Amino acid sequence: GDSVTQMEGPVTLSEEAFLTINCTYTATGYPSLFWYVQYPGEGLQLLLKATKADDKGSNKGFEATYRKETTSFHLEKGSVQVSDSAVYFCALNDQGGKLIFGQGTELSVKP
Amino acid sequence: EAGVAQSPRYKIIEKRQSVAFWCNPISGHATLYWYQQILGQGPKLLIQFQNNGVVDDSQLPKDRFSAERLKGVDSTLKIQPAKLEDSAVYLCASSSDRGSYNEQFFGPGTRLTVL
Repeated sequence: GDSVTQMEGPVTLSEEAFLTINCTYTATGYPSLFWYVQYPGEGLQLLLKATKADDKGSNKGFEATYRKETTSFHLEKGSVQVSDSAVYFCALNDQGGKLIFGQGTELSVKP
Repeated sequence: EAGVAQSPRYKIIEKRQSVAFWCNPISGHATLYWYQQILGQGPKLLIQFQNNGVVDDSQLPKDRFSAERLKGVDSTLKIQPAKLEDSAVYLCASSSDRGSYNEQFFGPGTRLTVL
């Protein structure tokens, strides 16, 4: 079945460092891909999405490009802030519409 | 626009007891989802409703879990009897049926602890 694998955390960075969180997927068909973020004490929020190959999703300085050839959707940000500390989830939607999530990567940004 | 509402936010019960969670989706959203998020894992779909009909309940442990969506609006998820491994956050999400991609909006979740 469809699945998502993302790099394990926790990831600890200093403020203004470059961030990469790796995400690869296995799917039948051509799913849409997503990054969700969960800030401490809050619900899941959609961070960005890409609906077809080579699409780049972006929001709040984060970017991810849908790479069909490598089945990847890595999350990047050029300069992280303390306020970016959260758990990040990569996900795809299957043909029925439900979301299939990776296990999550906890990011901690130190001042 | 009000978001997805869930209650209670926290619940602690003994094993073998029963518990129920409530979800009120965003107004007008036809599709409602219940996800289970075990600590350290990503959310996993338990059941998906389209209006008041079940679309997908393939991962719902039907011997102990049940869910309903009355009148295609609010939904309740019940566990009876609870087991230790049911300790998790239960997330409700909803989406509309308009457009080519139906973004799912999540509620704050109910954190269940089974002792």
